[in-house]
Amino acid sequence: EDQVTQSPEALRLQEGESSSLNCSYTVSGLRGLFWYRQDPGKGPEFLFTLYSAGEEKEKERLKATLTKKESFLHITAPKPEDSATYLCAVHSPGENYGQNFVFGPGTRLSVLP
Amino acid sequence: DVKVTQSSRYLVKRTGEKVFLECVQDMDHENMFWYRQDPGLGLRLIYFSYDVKMKEKGDIPEGYSVSREKKERFSLILESASTNQTSMYLCASSPYTQPQHFGDGTRLSIL
Repeated sequence: EDQVTQSPEALRLQEGESSSLNCSYTVSGLRGLFWYRQDPGKGPEFLFTLYSAGEEKEKERLKATLTKKESFLHITAPKPEDSATYLCAVHSPGENYGQNFVFGPGTRLSVLP
Repeated sequence: DVKVTQSSRYLVKRTGEKVFLECVQDMDHENMFWYRQDPGLGLRLIYFSYDVKMKEKGDIPEGYSVSREKKERFSLILESASTNQTSMYLCASSPYTQPQHFGDGTRLSIL
């Protein structure tokens, strides 16, 4: 069974204090790994797609990397507006396309001024 | 930019009512999804549609049905609302093998 775990569950950083969020996955095959940001009371906002080990994507203070078993979301010099829950999801091959998206539980990030 | 619009941000209904949640996407995506999100349980797939009039059950379809009469619109129906269906409901759409794009959600309270 495909599984996605994320760590830590919650993270508090001071403004400017860089850190990384982890997404570990167990899938029969990987079609894509996706990172989302979710603000309270809103839907997830798509950030990145990664398809193969070694791939990296960047957007402002965020950089996502991928290995064969995990992905990291690196946050460099975060600002309070980066506070949100970050979700990781994987898409694996299989008969039931809709059920082959598996979301992790998320990491709740708080950046203090 | 992809736009997924859910008809209501907040909705309050009574037990036993039939409830309709509407979702519209403007990018001609083949796939549309309905999830519910509850604290500690994450995102759980209710139903998925890969084409007009086509649907597949997700992980928690009991008590729900869906309708997709047009490509851009996907409706979630609670046949007889119960208090355990109080939740945040999220609609998403995607082209094949691409990431899903979500609406802002409907926070549904069943009293």
